[in-house]
Order: sequence, then C-alpha cells, then structure tokens
Amino acid sequence: NAGVTQTPKFRVLKTGQSMTLLCAQDMNHEYMYWYRQDPGMGLRLIHYSVGEGTTAKGEVPDGYNVSRLKKQNFLLGLESAAPSQTSVYFCASSEGRPRTDTQYFGPGTRLTVL
Amino acid sequence: RKEVEQDPGPFNVPEGATVAFNCTYSNSASQSFFWYRQDCRKEPKLLMSVYSSGNEDGRFTAQLNRASQYISLLIRDSKLSDSATYLCVVNNGVMVSNYQLIWGAGTKLIIKP
Repeated sequence: NAGVTQTPKFRVLKTGQSMTLLCAQDMNHEYMYWYRQDPGMGLRLIHYSVGEGTTAKGEVPDGYNVSRLKKQNFLLGLESAAPSQTSVYFCASSEGRPRTDTQYFGPGTRLTVL
Repeated sequence: RKEVEQDPGPFNVPEGATVAFNCTYSNSASQSFFWYRQDCRKEPKLLMSVYSSGNEDGRFTAQLNRASQYISLLIRDSKLSDSATYLCVVNNGVMVSNYQLIWGAGTKLIIKP
C-alpha cells in the first residue's frame, strides 16, 4: 500500500517550458488536491477534484491545468513555466467527508524554474 | 490580515518541557480545525483534529476557542522527535461544494537535549 505517490521528485525547467506532474493514490479516495508550498506561506490550493472526471479551481489556479481521467490519478500541468512557479508541489487525497477528512500527502515535487 | 495566522517561531524548548502554540483564524463560519505536523523537507501529516470540547491524544492537547477564534496545541513532556513544524488548518466555512482548507504557515519547534 503505497499511499500517495508523486513523480518526479525534482525538476528544473527553463522559463517557457512545459511539464506534467503525476499524482497517484491507491486508497480509493474520491477527493484529490494539488497544493504549492512557498517559504513563509501556508500551503495554497491550486486545483482539486471531487471525483473522476471532475476538477475545480482553488486559490491559485492561474498558470496551471489539471486532469482526473482515472480515479487514482491526478495530473498537474504547467504549460509555460515561469520563475514564480518555483515551489514545492504537494498532491493530497482524502475520502470526501469534508468535516472530518484527513488529507494524505505525497512526498512532494521540488520544481525550480530558471 | 491572513486568514490563518501562526507565530513562525522557532520555539527552542528543552527536552521534557511543556510548550504551547496558538493559531488565530479570521472566518467565523469555519467548522473544521486540524493540526498537521511537517518534518523538514517532508510532507504534512495529520497530528489531530480539534473538536469544540477540546481533545487529547497522549502528550498532545488541542483546544478550540470560537469566541476568540483561535485554536491551541499543547505538548507535554516534549521529546526530541517532536521537533517539526506544526501547521494550523481551518476550513473556509463552506461545508458542501467548494470546501477548502486554509493552511497556516506553520510554527517551527526545536526540542533541545
């Protein structure tokens, strides 16, 4: 039981390049989330999904796109990377009981955009 | 004003001491409250949920004060392994659609031998 996994763990991009971050969970969770974490700031929600085939915008969605074609996978895309997107990206999943949900996180992807 | 505010610390505390941190939140409609723990360069993990009546889990006690809009975390008999950043998390007041968690920036705790 791997929980939540993320690939890649590290990536360096040049401004304008694109990339896709993959998140996979094996807990059969309905909800999945993408966050970014920057120094001195709390986790900020980029996009989330409440089920297969659905996505919704979070607090900071600009510059990112997502897809949830399969329940276990949630992909985060950067179409044209910018230095402001240098951050640590965390994927999380939860069962979908908002009031009491525990969010389970992947190990993170450290992205640097030059 | 930030929606969830925490003292960033670091709190430098000797092993065996008791330490407490507070977290304030701005949305009076918030209904769910949590403390997560994040070790250096690792992912956050749930430490405990915070209930209206307060709750305890071993050496950890969480309290909620709705009138003053803050939650607290008390750690008794601190261990070296308690060294981490503690994240305060509050929901955005929406319980059905568009439910989101708002995360504090964290309080760093360093336990010294």
